[in-house]
Amino acid sequence: AQKITQTQPGMFVQEKEAVTLDCTYDTSDPSYGLFWYKQPSSGEMIFLIYQGSYDQQNATEGRYSLNFQKARKSANLVISASQLGDSAMYFCAMRGSSFGNEKLTFGTGTRLTIIP
Amino acid sequence: GAGVSQSPSNKVTEKGKDVELRCDPISGHTALYWYRQRLGQGLEFLIYFQGNSAPDKSGLPSDRFSAERTGESVSTLTIQRTQQEDSAVYLCASSFYQIGKETQYFGPGTRLLVL
Repeated sequence: AQKITQTQPGMFVQEKEAVTLDCTYDTSDPSYGLFWYKQPSSGEMIFLIYQGSYDQQNATEGRYSLNFQKARKSANLVISASQLGDSAMYFCAMRGSSFGNEKLTFGTGTRLTIIP
Repeated sequence: GAGVSQSPSNKVTEKGKDVELRCDPISGHTALYWYRQRLGQGLEFLIYFQGNSAPDKSGLPSDRFSAERTGESVSTLTIQRTQQEDSAVYLCASSFYQIGKETQYFGPGTRLLVL
């Protein structure tokens, strides 16, 4: 079974500061994928970034980077230079081995509020 | 190109009625997923389709829930004899079935309210 834990129900961050959203995971699969999604108040789920368990480097996408520490089973999302539009719910999710376990297991989310 | 679309965007129904939710995946995506999101919670997996393989129904909460998919296109999720606890947002996602391209892209969801 897979499990995602997000321990920060809510965070408040000053605009232009960097923010780290925590995610730890548990799985017995030898290979897996980790995802972060953003969900604004409109409700849509927006894909942000992906990290494969065998990727040698941490994933980066613009202002988003993923601090992947495999031994600690953590996959924290770092948002640099936060903007007001970053205010949203953020979900960490995991997918098991490529074939046969494709569904995503989600954490409970972190509500991020950017303060002007 | 067009993203995942879902209809209706909102549905209000009375307890005991059946509802049908529709999902149109991104063209070329062979994998399709249904999730449920209760208010203030994360997403729960319901069912997964991949090509002509038997669907993974392991997340369906009861036999009142069923889903079908026509080839590699439209899917419908049916909830029979709806209950108030079925009130939630139902999200559909699709993806390629190819290593390195498995990212799931979500539709806007159907907000279901059972009175």
